[in-house]
Amino acid sequence: ETGVTQSPTHLIKTRGQQVTLRCSSQSGHNTVSWYQQALGQGPQFIFQYYREEENGRGNFPPRFSGLQFPNYSSELNVNALELDDSALYLCASSLASLTEAFFGQGTRLTVV
Amino acid sequence: SQQGEEDPQALSIQEGENATMNCSYKTSINNLQWYRQNSGRGLVHLILIRSNEREKHSGRLRVTLDTSKKSSSLLITASRAADTASYFCATDGGGGADGLTFGKGTHLIIQP
Repeated sequence: ETGVTQSPTHLIKTRGQQVTLRCSSQSGHNTVSWYQQALGQGPQFIFQYYREEENGRGNFPPRFSGLQFPNYSSELNVNALELDDSALYLCASSLASLTEAFFGQGTRLTVV
Repeated sequence: SQQGEEDPQALSIQEGENATMNCSYKTSINNLQWYRQNSGRGLVHLILIRSNEREKHSGRLRVTLDTSKKSSSLLITASRAADTASYFCATDGGGGADGLTFGKGTHLIIQP
């Protein structure tokens, strides 16, 4: 157990809908990152938050957005869902951006 | 895009044998991490090796890093059935806030 929890574990949405995924960071960690993992691929970096500010972003469109709260928990929001958004979404927390990242169990999103 | 490449893509060995996986990357790094993933679930952090380190051990794991060749290897000694999983290397890209860059992973199968 890493102490990073994600909810929900599975989710099915319809194309065009919006979704919010949640992550509770490991205690004491101030940095949270989100990753998308398509089937058979490695995780791809979406963005990173440090002390409630986005401080890094991967090659994902603006319809992927996020929040980090004062207690360092975080949300990933995806608008206008597309079929290709079907993937495992992973949240990772760390004490700083250059230390070990601890991952949650992920949310499996299916877009139909 | 994925910076790293793990090699081989798949590896099947007998229980008790040693397993070696390799990782190559393209840009300069601060550190390199290895993760394990069971059946599409969350990533489990195995080991972090910094760019100024050449070798690191943790239990049955041995990681080497050659920054001149931009490559790393993960050795699992005395493999067990429970080691069956996908293994990923991840680099930080030097910038920290750019998140981790993962390869496609090596799928390791330990035959009992």
